[in-house]
Amino acid sequence: NAGVTQTPKFRVLKTGQSMTLLCAQDMNHEYMYWYRQDPGMGLRLIHYSVGEGTTAKGEVPDGYNVSRLKKQNFLLGLESAAPSQTSVYFCASSYSTVYYNEQFFGPGTRLTVL
Amino acid sequence: EDQVTQSPEALRLQEGESSSLNCSYTVSGLRGLFWYRQDPGKGPEFLFTLYSAGEEKEKERLKATLTKKESFLHITAPKPEDSATYLCAVQDKGTSYGKLTFGQGTILTVHP
Repeated sequence: NAGVTQTPKFRVLKTGQSMTLLCAQDMNHEYMYWYRQDPGMGLRLIHYSVGEGTTAKGEVPDGYNVSRLKKQNFLLGLESAAPSQTSVYFCASSYSTVYYNEQFFGPGTRLTVL
Repeated sequence: EDQVTQSPEALRLQEGESSSLNCSYTVSGLRGLFWYRQDPGKGPEFLFTLYSAGEEKEKERLKATLTKKESFLHITAPKPEDSATYLCAVQDKGTSYGKLTFGQGTILTVHP
């Protein structure tokens, strides 16, 4: 099992450019999450999905969109990148939100917006 | 609002010198408390889940304990390879989608 994978690993964008981050999991998990990690801010939830075809906003959703067309994939889009979106992005998935509810994280995408 | 505070921010130990990391939390109802390890440039790696006060879990040199207000991660006879950032997170029973609230982390450095 690969677990949770993310592509790309690194990306540099110019202000106003767009991009999509891809997350894939092979554990048949229902729940998937996108976080960003910034120094001094910890991990913060951007968007989440409780199943195929569903998405919802987390704590810091502005400037991001997501889609979950297939159960194993969760895409994070930036339509018009801003320097404030420079961060490390992590995708996570979990089997449940009750027991066996631990979230498993991907390796991250380091994004720099100039 | 759920809150998680970890202390100390950084901890430097000599190899073999046991110590503890603290995670204080405030939630309306605890569904679970999670410990993760994060190495530089990598994603958080799941270590433990604790569900109720009094529960303990162990893995190699690590032991996690839980009370109604805090959790401790005890490291016994640490080795340099235990150096990492340790993250604590809580899940509130009031959320239906599994939201985790994370602390800032404790950076552990173990010197040989």
